[in-house]
Amino acid sequence: DGGITQSPKYLFRKEGQNVTLSCEQNLNHDAMYWYRQDPGQGLRLIYYSQIVNDFQKGDIAEGYSVSREKKESFPLTVTSAQKNPTAFYLCASDFSGGNTEAFFGQGTRLTVV
Amino acid sequence: KQEVTQIPAALSVPEGENLVLNCSFTDSAIYNLQWFRQDPGKGLTSLLLIQSSQREQTSGRLNASLDKSSGRSTLYIAASQPGDSATYLCAVSGGGADGLTFGKGTHLIIQP
Repeated sequence: DGGITQSPKYLFRKEGQNVTLSCEQNLNHDAMYWYRQDPGQGLRLIYYSQIVNDFQKGDIAEGYSVSREKKESFPLTVTSAQKNPTAFYLCASDFSGGNTEAFFGQGTRLTVV
Repeated sequence: KQEVTQIPAALSVPEGENLVLNCSFTDSAIYNLQWFRQDPGKGLTSLLLIQSSQREQTSGRLNASLDKSSGRSTLYIAASQPGDSATYLCAVSGGGADGLTFGKGTHLIIQP
């Protein structure tokens, strides 16, 4: 089945640690996105990538980093510089241009312990 | 900067009722509008995509309309069922390939 796979489903991070969230898609989409969801707030864009080896900051990129070495993969690293990382993280993809249907993964819930 | 508002924030209705969820956006220069469903602790499921040139889209018991000039969209759910209980999110694309702008959602409960 075509789709977007995020892993792990749950992730726990200690203070000062970097953690990486995985996102893989087999939809042949060019564009991939990372969003953060907090209770009572809408989804906010962290980073996006339209093509391999290129990515741009979204609205809340501070404390996060990404890479796009393969079309299918767009991992997100939550660094120790992110002061409030506890949230639900969602990965999405679509055909580049922003005027096609976007598909989402099942999310990763990150908790700082 | 685009802002998306969804009203109401929460809604509880008996099973079988028809209902309308509202979405408004401040900048009418959009490429498309998409409605999603989110179950607790899950990702987003795409329900309907309306291109800016379209007025409505239908899928089963769902009908979404778009009035781009007034910055409004509605999601109509016919003959609601308990399985429709979820959070419904509206999102718009500015076409700049920089992602979607989301509303905060409508939390819907259908009482059996």
